[in-house]
Amino acid sequence: EAEVAQSPRYKITEKSQAVAFWCDPISGHATLYWYRQILGQGPELLVQFQDESVVDDSQLPKDRFSAERLKGVDSTLKIQPAELGDSAMYLCASSLGQTSNYGYTFGSGTRLTVV
Amino acid sequence: GQNIDQPTEMTATEGAIVQINCTYQTSGFNGLFWYQQHAGEAPTFLSYNVLDGLEEKGRFSSFLSRSKGYSYLLLKELQMKDSASYLCAVRDHNAGNMLTFGGGTRLMVKP
Repeated sequence: EAEVAQSPRYKITEKSQAVAFWCDPISGHATLYWYRQILGQGPELLVQFQDESVVDDSQLPKDRFSAERLKGVDSTLKIQPAELGDSAMYLCASSLGQTSNYGYTFGSGTRLTVV
Repeated sequence: GQNIDQPTEMTATEGAIVQINCTYQTSGFNGLFWYQQHAGEAPTFLSYNVLDGLEEKGRFSSFLSRSKGYSYLLLKELQMKDSASYLCAVRDHNAGNMLTFGGGTRLMVKP
């Protein structure tokens, strides 16, 4: 069964350090999303890509967060510098199109702890 | 913007039936999704409703009323493994067809 791959699974970093997360969507999925999920809450969208283009990054804190999907396949989300409040699960998801009846397929996520 | 509300926590007994409600406000409704999320894991797709009515899938059913901005997820014959968070998500064609998630309902199934 096709999966969305994410790494690392867990990351502990000190505040003010840089951290990066990687996502490889299901083959053929043109749309890729990064979500942040704080413990006990629902996922919140950070950025949406259609192929290599950013469709929506209105909720991305651009002073410290950046995201890229250079070749329209895998994607990287970076935080620099990390802050204590960034501790959360970072979920990557992909979909065949924006109106799929199955919504998104999520990766296993990266659990970030900033100390 | 969108407003999606669902109860924070529910408790039910193994073998029973539980209904998890979700209300939403959106300008360009284009589908409602339910996801299941076990602790520390990724959300997994359960159901999709875009027209009014009931969609049944084994022990799980989902209902939608677009005029009321209301959906529920019905879980029958509860099993211990159903203990998880259940996320309601709405797709809005006025927001690029992105999914916006509610805060999730944490369901605890007790023996």
